Amino acid sequence: EADIYQTPRYLVIGTGKKITLECSQTMGHDKMYWYQQDPGMELHLIHYSYGVNSTEKGDLSSESTVSRIRTEHFPLTLESARPSHTSQYLCASSEPRGIETQYFGPGTRLLVL
Amino acid sequence: QKEVEQNSGPLSVPEGAIASLNCTYSDRGSQSFFWYRQYSGKSPELIMFIYSNGDKEDGRFTAQLNKASQYVSLLIRDSQPSDSATYLCATEGAAGNKLTFGGGTRVLVKP
Repeated sequence: EADIYQTPRYLVIGTGKKITLECSQTMGHDKMYWYQQDPGMELHLIHYSYGVNSTEKGDLSSESTVSRIRTEHFPLTLESARPSHTSQYLCASSEPRGIETQYFGPGTRLLVL
Repeated sequence: QKEVEQNSGPLSVPEGAIASLNCTYSDRGSQSFFWYRQYSGKSPELIMFIYSNGDKEDGRFTAQLNKASQYVSLLIRDSQPSDSATYLCATEGAAGNKLTFGGGTRVLVKP
């Protein structure tokens, strides 16, 4: 069982606001990921990191940015939220070696008005 | 063509029956294959993974892998209403380190 946390769980915010979605894990996993998923739709990888100071863009273009200053922490930031950013954001982490088994956090549901 | 394809369903299964889910993938170099279950409004949770051809059993779940035909399947035996969820197939490509997810198959188990 993975210990991976996301805050806030739900966020309603106005257009133009800056927001940061938090993701933390306590397993010491080097690899962390952010996915975006609309209701009933596919998971899309938007960012990933293989360790401290490593960040890469995922398969889906996103206006968000990420940072990885500490192993356990992988926050995602939207500088200016728009209604098109309304979605569920899922954070995941995986062990540094062996099979790429990813464990997901509970997700953040974002609604931009 | 999507890299990982699944029938979106819904797959309707009577309680106690076997649910059979299929997944095909395009990357012939894929190394490992995963099945996740996702309840509505929740995050995906890992059911099992498989990396060798053949069958792998874990409780009521059996994963089957055929690399030559590039498909992986999941069987759910003695289906229960609590198995009603979307099942996501994912592959780890030849380059490793990332998963590619299919669109998921929605399963409905009717009492």
